[in-house]
Amino acid sequence: DGGITQSPKYLFRKEGQNVTLSCEQNLNHDAMYWYRQDPGQGLRLIYYSQIVNDFQKGDIAEGYSVSREKKESFPLTVTSAQKNPTAFYLCASSMPTSGRAYEQYFGPGTRLTVT
Amino acid sequence: GEDVEQSLFLSVREGDSSVINCTYTDSSSTYLYWYKQEPGAGLQLLTYIFSNMDMKQDQRLTVLLNKKDKHLSLRIADTQTGDSAIYFCAEKGGMDSSYKLIFGSGTRLLVRP
Repeated sequence: DGGITQSPKYLFRKEGQNVTLSCEQNLNHDAMYWYRQDPGQGLRLIYYSQIVNDFQKGDIAEGYSVSREKKESFPLTVTSAQKNPTAFYLCASSMPTSGRAYEQYFGPGTRLTVT
Repeated sequence: GEDVEQSLFLSVREGDSSVINCTYTDSSSTYLYWYKQEPGAGLQLLTYIFSNMDMKQDQRLTVLLNKKDKHLSLRIADTQTGDSAIYFCAEKGGMDSSYKLIFGSGTRLLVRP
């Protein structure tokens, strides 16, 4: 079964702790993305990576870090510097090659609660 | 910068048609997309349309694109209670060489029995 997995589904942390959210895909997609979704709001892009060992900041990168050491994996670390980390985090991937429509495929999400 | 806007809420009766609207600002958009999000879940790609098309039909879904007015709509025929969800419109800019998509803030569709 090809797809994107995110773990865990629910994550609870104390304020001041760093936490890493996992995202794995077996779709052989080159590009991967992290979004944040707050209640009643749309998606905001945190970081994206178009190729292994390279990534770019999105619109709200402050307080977050990523790595892309393998094509299949794009973990997101929420650091203690992120002021309001409680949110729903979505990972996505795409295969932006000629003839394709750049569509992104999403994982099931991780709900992070920081108290 | 590019922007995508949607109305926040739509309520329809089961069996009626639903029309969800979206406007965008980037006149060089190449692809436009519709995604569905059920509570607590990720986004599911429903359909997309290339900017040189004005209509695309896929079973109960019809996408209309008015490029002149930068207006995209999603019509769901014979709407069912299972269609209740948040629907996101997204666009891929033509001038942006990255693979990013720009998403609207979503329209919550409520289907009343």
